[in-house]
Amino acid sequence: QVQLQESGPGLVKPSQTLSLTCTVSGGSISSGSYYWTWIRQPAGKGLEWIGRIYPSGSTDYNPSLKSRVTISVDTSKNQFSLKLSSVTAADTAVYYCARSLHYGGRSGALDIWGQGTMVTVSS
Amino acid sequence: QSVLTQPPSASGTPGQRVTISCSGSSSNIGSNYVYWYQQLPGTAPKLLIHRNNQRPSGVPDRFSGSKSGTSASLAISGLRSEDEADYYCAAWDDSLSVSFGTGTKVTVL
Repeated sequence: QVQLQESGPGLVKPSQTLSLTCTVSGGSISSGSYYWTWIRQPAGKGLEWIGRIYPSGSTDYNPSLKSRVTISVDTSKNQFSLKLSSVTAADTAVYYCARSLHYGGRSGALDIWGQGTMVTVSS
Repeated sequence: QSVLTQPPSASGTPGQRVTISCSGSSSNIGSNYVYWYQQLPGTAPKLLIHRNNQRPSGVPDRFSGSKSGTSASLAISGLRSEDEADYYCAAWDDSLSVSFGTGTKVTVL
């Protein structure tokens, strides 16, 4: 079955760029039936959708983060990545990658999630 | 910041029915499908309901979803101890993003 696994530094300094990668196993990231998505959750708080990418490279981002977020895909490695620039302590959170069912594009159906990775922003 | 509003908590005794509301607007719930997620302590969220009222394979029929206008609700019937978790609603928004609800903690008394 399809599995997702996040990887990347657990500690990032303020003002630097947070970089995470999600590796997809058990299936192809190139399938046209899915978007590939990043979500985050600060400790003790709710979920925040960061953005998504289609295998073609087309992206959608949360308007509140759009100026700092870049999501990219590497189909040859079956991976997609997140870059969040100019981080502050407010970006400290568990970051999840997830697969989103397409549903014609207007979809919030995240059917497979990674286990999540904790990223702390601190000097 | 969440644009879908949920009550912070809900509770019930085993066997009872618990309902969680999710209030949005015409730009999200009013014009798009609603999804519900269950997050057990220390784990990633799990898709519980999709397309307003559809259960993915493996989700017990004790869980049901509904939508009316700009609001939606999740009902848990026959409440069990293993249902104690955080529950989130979600919907596509016309701002070209997904909005999550504020989350509801369900406690089994």
